[in-house]
Amino acid sequence: QSALTQPASVSGSPGQSITISCTGSSSDVGSYDYVSWYQQHPGKAPKLMIYGVSNRPSGVSDRFSGSKSGNTASLSISGLHTEDEADYYCSSLTSSSTLKFGGGTKLTVL
Amino acid sequence: EVQLVESGGGLVRPGGSLRLSCAASGFTFSNFDMTWVRQAPGKGLVWVSTISGSGHITYYADSVRGRFTISRDFSKNTVYLQMNSLRAEDTAVYHCAKVRGSSGWGAENWGQGTLVTVSS
Repeated sequence: QSALTQPASVSGSPGQSITISCTGSSSDVGSYDYVSWYQQHPGKAPKLMIYGVSNRPSGVSDRFSGSKSGNTASLSISGLHTEDEADYYCSSLTSSSTLKFGGGTKLTVL
Repeated sequence: EVQLVESGGGLVRPGGSLRLSCAASGFTFSNFDMTWVRQAPGKGLVWVSTISGSGHITYYADSVRGRFTISRDFSKNTVYLQMNSLRAEDTAVYHCAKVRGSSGWGAENWGQGTLVTVSS
């Protein structure tokens, strides 16, 4: 099972906006509205930021938003804060009833 | 407050076995699917297995199917991952997570993980 494709790194300055892409196939991202996004700080457990493509769990800032077009999902972060610096992972349910993660994207807030 | 506490990790030789446990509290255990996700040192997240709330349905990644078994004990509110025929590539921190309902296995609560090292 190959992982979903994410850029290895993205960067932005405080206050700016960034977008992280997550590309899959018609067997996963393209088939279901079941894409999730996670934030992971070093040495910490992942935190769910987005589920069901664009839904935020309670307590997650509305600066985080998700979307999908075809086989590619995206996570956008507006008004970057220094504490947003972390690794971000996408995941998607697949047509084989498995779960795929992306390879992860390191966000640097300059 | 949801709490998930993993245990059972350690050093094991290739071909050996370990059983991981995940003690859950703060929610109605039987109402939620539970999942195991692993992360090799310095690497990304990899899904391992998921079990339905009832315990009747299980799912596995191809890399562990036939070697790992997920189960749950409702009397102890605990999820287990029995790992047999371990390989060096199974070395990772193993996290258990509570799945958010109707989210396509979005994991909304995570434990801190337990480290499994497979080495001779």
